[in-house]
Amino acid sequence: GESVGLHLPTLSVQEGDNSIINCAYSNSASDYFIWYKQESGKGPQFIIDIRSNMDKRQGQRVTVLLNKTVKHLSLQIAATQPGDSAVYFCAEVYNFNKFYFGSGTKLNVKP
Amino acid sequence: DVKVTQSSRYLVKRTGEKVFLECVQDMDHENMFWYRQDPGLGLRLIYFSYDVKMKEKGDIPEGYSVSREKKERFSLILESASTNQTSMYLCASTSQEVPYNEQFFGPGTRLTVL
Repeated sequence: GESVGLHLPTLSVQEGDNSIINCAYSNSASDYFIWYKQESGKGPQFIIDIRSNMDKRQGQRVTVLLNKTVKHLSLQIAATQPGDSAVYFCAEVYNFNKFYFGSGTKLNVKP
Repeated sequence: DVKVTQSSRYLVKRTGEKVFLECVQDMDHENMFWYRQDPGLGLRLIYFSYDVKMKEKGDIPEGYSVSREKKERFSLILESASTNQTSMYLCASTSQEVPYNEQFFGPGTRLTVL
């Protein structure tokens, strides 16, 4: 399978600070990328996606940046809240039905 | 609003038993997937199906089979469970319409094989 990985397995941030979660990928032919959030005891939940022809996409309190030159993807969460504590996965998608997931980064938000 | 459901949240089976994991989605999606999730390894694709009675092997199909007799239901079968199949199993579905960008996941089934 394709290599989709994360730089940091665990990230601790103070409530109210911004969080940045990183992801590296290896397949240049991917169609798009997705960030998922997985809370304890639940299945992954879609947060935001970005097409491979885009550099940046913003959602509510989240921004995804795509750097195709270095094959790097990041998720920025503004004003991190305790409810943001979860494991975050990036996923690389190609042929529109092949999903490859990273191993995840655990985000701990300290009150 | 229920979208993807899995038959069991927790399951304990013995080595050699035949195990059925059921997944049902109510979104009329064509594509359905079975993954297993293990610490440090992320989600790994076991099988997926893009239509009724159609299936394709994922990255780790050995020891598993699947069944898709109806569009809304995708079953994962462990023919003879082994301890190395102890894991979290996640079902997901997507639409084939473009642009589609979201896989909806079930809550997962944590299977323990003794």
